[in-house]
Amino acid sequence: DIVLTQSPASLAVSLGQRATISCRASESVDSYGNSFMHWYQQKPGQPPKLLIYRASNLESGIPARFSGSGSRTDFTLTINPVEADDVATYYCQQSNEDPYTFGGGTKLEIK
Amino acid sequence: EVQLQESGPSLVKPSQTLSLTCSVTGDSITSGYWNWIRKFPGNKLEYMGYISYSGGTYYNPSLKSRISITRDTSKNQNYLQLNSVTTEDTATYYCARGGGYFHWYFDVWGAGTTVTVSS
Repeated sequence: DIVLTQSPASLAVSLGQRATISCRASESVDSYGNSFMHWYQQKPGQPPKLLIYRASNLESGIPARFSGSGSRTDFTLTINPVEADDVATYYCQQSNEDPYTFGGGTKLEIK
Repeated sequence: EVQLQESGPSLVKPSQTLSLTCSVTGDSITSGYWNWIRKFPGNKLEYMGYISYSGGTYYNPSLKSRISITRDTSKNQNYLQLNSVTTEDTATYYCARGGGYFHWYFDVWGAGTTVTVSS
């Protein structure tokens, strides 16, 4: 299975500043010119919400403060500027190889 | 608007079978891919498997001998069965729609249902 390692496990960011979350895959998640890495936000008591698909594509309805980048094994989710409503846990997920796998999560708090 | 809702018992005894229903509105389960994902206490997410538009299934090899996903197209529902459960199966179970050309990601989720395995 492809192992996804997220860092940091938690971070505290001041309102209006930038938050950067990393996801590293144990092997490449690229195929046919696409990176099959996706990002979700989960708030307590709610299901995960899709933010970014295929590394850098913003899901409909998601604010442009969220962006994704990366390829092969190294990916980044950036939130800029951070707002109070962004307090949540963020997960990466790969779909380049079965079984699909998720990262361990990064908890974002406001400093 | 597409909505998914999980239902089923919240408490299951060890060695018994966990059975959950995913009811879908706003979309047809005869198109796309319909997935089950669970979240353990401690926040780890595990992909369990899917049933496709044609009724084909895929299961995570870690569960392959215990899991079954079926459907009733007349009710627009799909069903998860997990046999021989242990306390390690205690989790919140989500159904989710596969998004993208080939269910690369999960674009609509149910609210989730928490299942505790305990005697």
